[in-house]
Amino acid sequence: DQQVKQNSPSLSVQEGRISILNCDYTNSMFDYFLWYKKYPAEGPTFLISISSIKDKNEDGRFTVFLNKSAKHLSLHIVPSQPGDSAVYFCAASEKGAQKLVFGQGTRLTINP
Amino acid sequence: KAGVTQTPRYLIKTRGQQVTLSCSPISGHRSVSWYQQTPGQGLQFLFEYFSETQRNKGNFPGRFSGRQFSNSRSEMNVSTLELGDSALYLCASSPGQAFAKNIQYFGAGTRLSVL
Repeated sequence: DQQVKQNSPSLSVQEGRISILNCDYTNSMFDYFLWYKKYPAEGPTFLISISSIKDKNEDGRFTVFLNKSAKHLSLHIVPSQPGDSAVYFCAASEKGAQKLVFGQGTRLTINP
Repeated sequence: KAGVTQTPRYLIKTRGQQVTLSCSPISGHRSVSWYQQTPGQGLQFLFEYFSETQRNKGNFPGRFSGRQFSNSRSEMNVSTLELGDSALYLCASSPGQAFAKNIQYFGAGTRLSVL
């Protein structure tokens, strides 16, 4: 039972354009959501997070949007840069719990 | 501040052996979580320790165990290794208190190959 789903295994975007990565969840008890970026042979690096009481959080080029009624969140990267090429994971946790439930990841490729 | 440190980075073992992996969290972090990453199953939660006590456990067999020391450093142990245990094992740390944001910071991982 996959509680967090990233339905696009890969995404290719031109440098300078917007990258939009999507994530859906099924567990209504999730109240905190995070995005991580991962390069091969490295651990995931935290990018940005959002609490369920908000619908948007912004940090520089990265913005996360949360639609609780649709159980959907998305990560926007503007403008996309070659260094953004990596695998992006969406993760979620229940209130007070340290356990993160991860999606399967989306491989983002930024083309020059 | 130093990040999460995992040792060793690479390990090769044979079926039936056991293995111990080590993790040093970010200074001041009291929660340490372990995850397994495989191509087929993705990133899966193994267990979490806080103040030397296991607080959460994922759906893994009893061959997978862990512990945490008073300085928050953690070890995980896998006994009677199977081929399917070949994976990247990731450790993550966070402050761990209920009022703190649950942002977990990951180490580089230990790549375990079981032959």
